Amino acid sequence: DAGITQSPRHKVTETGTPVTLRCHQTENHRYMYWYRQDPGHGLRLIHYSYGVKDTDKGEVSDGYSVSRSKTEDFLLTLESATSSQTSVYFCAISTSSGPDYEQYFGPGTRLTVT
Amino acid sequence: AQSVSQHNHHVILSEAASLELGCNYSYGGTVNLFWYVQYPGQHLQLLLKYFSGDPLVKGIKGFEAEFIKSKFSFNLRKPSVQWSDTAEYFCAVSTYSSASKIIFGSGTRLSIRP
Repeated sequence: DAGITQSPRHKVTETGTPVTLRCHQTENHRYMYWYRQDPGHGLRLIHYSYGVKDTDKGEVSDGYSVSRSKTEDFLLTLESATSSQTSVYFCAISTSSGPDYEQYFGPGTRLTVT
Repeated sequence: AQSVSQHNHHVILSEAASLELGCNYSYGGTVNLFWYVQYPGQHLQLLLKYFSGDPLVKGIKGFEAEFIKSKFSFNLRKPSVQWSDTAEYFCAVSTYSSASKIIFGSGTRLSIRP
């Protein structure tokens, strides 16, 4: 599992509240990612990071922000949660920035916005 | 931008049947291709990947995939499925120029009848 943990694993929150999800890795990988998984859509990339303080947007970044102040931690923040952000969120790391690499995924966080 | 299509949303097979799941991508340049599997309640795991070389790629658990560049396809195959193969399967692609971002298809749910 490449030493990836996510917290919390489950969260229920109300519309309009801020929410922060944490991804932690133990193997010092440079690239980290946040995806959301929804039925019929597969996984969609929200944001990714290619180093400390270096982040970029993915396919579905609206309503989300990220921060990476340490190599091992990548935080995803929903500034004001909406019901459309109810989803399962997966963090991932990439083993290399070169042409031969693999992505490993964390266990996921199930977020429900009521 | 690249995209991935998985046309089979749900496939139902009996044990020992042969499996082929379709995957087509849209991108004219060099690509890296992946198949991931997600067993019920678990996170994604890499089945196999193609970066270069032999277009027939063998992965774990008896799966293989063939990259056909002229057809922009990377279909997943297994000669004889087992009940334990019940899972959701995701095809994914990244371009060499953007190797840090992997784009996923919407997934194919595979149900195996015992």
